[in-house]
Amino acid sequence: EAGVAQSPRYKIIEKRQSVAFWCNPISGHATLYWYQQILGQGPKLLIQFQNNGVVDDSQLPKDRFSAERLKGVDSTLKIQPAKLEDSAVYLCASSSTAQETQYFGPGTRLLVL
Amino acid sequence: SQQGEEDPQALSIQEGENATMNCSYKTSINNLQWYRQNSGRGLVHLILIRSNEREKHSGRLRVTLDTSKKSSSLLITASRAADTASYFCATETGANNLFFGTGTRLTVIP
Repeated sequence: EAGVAQSPRYKIIEKRQSVAFWCNPISGHATLYWYQQILGQGPKLLIQFQNNGVVDDSQLPKDRFSAERLKGVDSTLKIQPAKLEDSAVYLCASSSTAQETQYFGPGTRLLVL
Repeated sequence: SQQGEEDPQALSIQEGENATMNCSYKTSINNLQWYRQNSGRGLVHLILIRSNEREKHSGRLRVTLDTSKKSSSLLITASRAADTASYFCATETGANNLFFGTGTRLTVIP
């Protein structure tokens, strides 16, 4: 069974630029999560989708971050414009339902200069 | 904050020794989970213990949960160099939202 796929693996941008990350969850997984992990800290949930609907986006900085999961499968997370403090690893995870184990992708490491 | 806190922040042991990591949290939980993260990689789920359970085993892993003290411990027995990683506890309070701690960096010296 293929795991959670993410791309790109690494991205370097300048502040005020925009960037997008892509996630393909495990086939059949209805629930998808985006986390932000700043160096030296644990992951922090940004947004949770159930199929193509948002369940929780209370910690998403909505003035600059957006995410979508239009067809209930793949998802994209966008930052526009990026700030220096957005430098982090962005992790995508999926689970078969909202009550099951979350499986994580390898993450996208973002550096904002 | 609901975020858990692991102790110690870093741990270095010899191969074959046991490693114990602790996690404290602040709110009531449905379950507590432990994850491993190798450098530059995503997180791997290790074990889940529900709020009505006190101890759980999986291979060389032993997890305990004390809801009265809002704490959990992860014991890795007979450690191996391949166990070198960061270990995170995560609390689940509802809707499968996980709140992660700051992690323990474990180094196992061959």
